[in-house]
Amino acid sequence: QKEVEQNSGPLSVPEGAIASLNCTYSDRGSQSFFWYRQYSGKSPELIMSIYSNGDKEDGRFTAQLNKASQYVSLLIRDSQPSDSATYLCAVNMYTGGFKTIFGAGTRLFVKA
Amino acid sequence: DTEVTQTPKHLVMGMTNKKSLKCEQHMGHRAMYWYKQKAKKPPELMFVYSYEKLSINESVPSRFSPECPNSSLLNLHLHALQPEDSALYLCASSQQGADTEAFFGQGTRLTVV
Repeated sequence: QKEVEQNSGPLSVPEGAIASLNCTYSDRGSQSFFWYRQYSGKSPELIMSIYSNGDKEDGRFTAQLNKASQYVSLLIRDSQPSDSATYLCAVNMYTGGFKTIFGAGTRLFVKA
Repeated sequence: DTEVTQTPKHLVMGMTNKKSLKCEQHMGHRAMYWYKQKAKKPPELMFVYSYEKLSINESVPSRFSPECPNSSLLNLHLHALQPEDSALYLCASSQQGADTEAFFGQGTRLTVV
């Protein structure tokens, strides 16, 4: 069974803190990794994609990938109440075809 | 422009009705997807179209019938649905396959009564 695992949370951080979201995946051959943000009642919005080991930064967001350990993480610096949402980790895997498999998501609350 | 447009935004249908969901993108993407999302769950893949051909069907019941009339359009035809099919139906597109970034439409909130 090809899987993507996330801590469902909720993760609560104070405003201005760093939020750290983690994700592990089962397919060692996966090459493409994505983080989506989803507000309640809305559709997922792509935040970051990462394909190589190491860090990738975009504004307040940093994605980190370690293929050897099969984990990918998302750091949100200077967290804002507007960052409160569910963050979905998505991993490209081959399971009867190349598919993007979503983790269950981590709910993040940023307290003002 | 990373816009995927879905219509309608909301749909209420009876179990004997036939309806269609529509999705459109003008980004030149060659892969399009239908996902189903229940409350507090992640999106579940239903169908994948690659270069206008159905490449993946995740064993979806035949009461859901996808169609890709051209490279910009994707439809999902609904017939004889059950109340448990009520969910948010999401369309997405990506430049090529699942290894490229996918962009979602705003979804159709479907209620089957």
